[in-house]
Formats: sequence, C-alpha cells, structure tokens
Amino acid sequence: DAKTTQPNSMESNEEEPVHLPCNHSTISGTDYIHWYRQLPSQGPEYVIHGLTSNVNNRMASLAIAEDRKSSTLILHRATLRDAAVYYCILRGNSGNTPLVFGKGTRLSVIA
Amino acid sequence: DARVTQTPRDKVTEMGQEVTMRCQPILGHNTVFWYRQTMMQGLELLAYFRNRAPLDDSGMPKDRFSAEMPDATLATLKIQPSEPRDSAVYFCASGLARGLAGRPDTQYFGPGTRLTVL
Repeated sequence: DAKTTQPNSMESNEEEPVHLPCNHSTISGTDYIHWYRQLPSQGPEYVIHGLTSNVNNRMASLAIAEDRKSSTLILHRATLRDAAVYYCILRGNSGNTPLVFGKGTRLSVIA
Repeated sequence: DARVTQTPRDKVTEMGQEVTMRCQPILGHNTVFWYRQTMMQGLELLAYFRNRAPLDDSGMPKDRFSAEMPDATLATLKIQPSEPRDSAVYFCASGLARGLAGRPDTQYFGPGTRLTVL
C-alpha cells in the first residue's frame, strides 16, 4: 500500500476551521483516500473518503489536490468533541481489505 | 443504530492463562477484521475473514493466537497461553465486501477489549 505522511499533532481553537493535511506522493490511479478518526478510548470511526473530486459530508470536507499527491481534511468548526487522532489511509479498489494505519495526526481543540 | 459489539470490555489475567475475546459484527456484514493497538506499534491487523473464511492471519503469532468465526454472528480471538507483551486493546471491525474488486467500503469498529496480562 502506498504510504501517507501526516503531521504528528495539530492544535485548533474551538469554533475555528481546521485543515488537516496528508501527503501521499506515491498514490496510484486506483487508490481511494480515506480518513478515519479515533476519539479517546474508542475504536476508529469513518470520516470521509474520495477518489479525485472534493467531497462533503455532515462530518467534514475532503479537498484533493489536482495531482492527487496530497489531500486535506477540513473540519469547518472544530468542537471539543473533535479532539481525536485523525488517520489518512490509501485504499486500493480490491474491495473491503484491511486498513493500514500510520501514526495519524493528534488534534487538540482548545476551548 | 447497528454497531459492532465486543466482550469483554476489559480483561485482566495472569501470564499463562487462556483469553478469549468475542465480537458480534453488524448484521449483514460479510467481512470481519481483528486489529490490535499498542502505544509502541499503533493499530495493526491481526487477521480478517470474509464470508467466515480466514483470508489473512499473517499478523498473528501463530503459536499462541487463533481466530475463528463459528457462525456469521460471532468472531472469536483466543490467546493461549497469554504473555505480558499481549497487553493491548483489541478491536474488531466489520464491513461489507461486494466482491474481490471495487470501491473499498467502510469499516465499523467495536469499542475494543482492553487486555492486561500480568
């Protein structure tokens, strides 16, 4: 699986937008970009995914660079409940195969 | 609200004892994963099943770990004998796979079993 690179940690003020970057320079044409997050003492949960176009859902937005070598997860208004480790994961189109987790970005939200 | 359930939530045992962790996947999901999380290694795959058949268990120490799916509603992970280095949080996840190819679907994680081996 192609690797991703994320900052170890980021900090945000409550109610402010947060942009979480992810680099994936060796992404292949069939790799999907998935984001999961893990809240304290919980299992990971799905956030969003995309292939080429930007995506929005109720949790977040995903902005994908035109060359697909990087992407950004956008939380429009961070709340204290968004404090978590965010994982950017590339997944091929081989059906539901295991997730390969890196170290992720630990997001702290300050009230 | 369908969710993956895991039992027990916490387990403290002594070295050498057998440990069995159970997972009930979301009804209708045909793929089940076992992951382990430690501070040192992070989240890593132990094994996974599709339609109850094991597809990959290369992440498990074969001499002491075993994973099974007795039926579609139950997955088990057993450690015998347990060792202190097995102390970790064990997560089960389930998902739907519509075939060997295609868009990768979401995985839904349980709350985990926190295992402490003394």
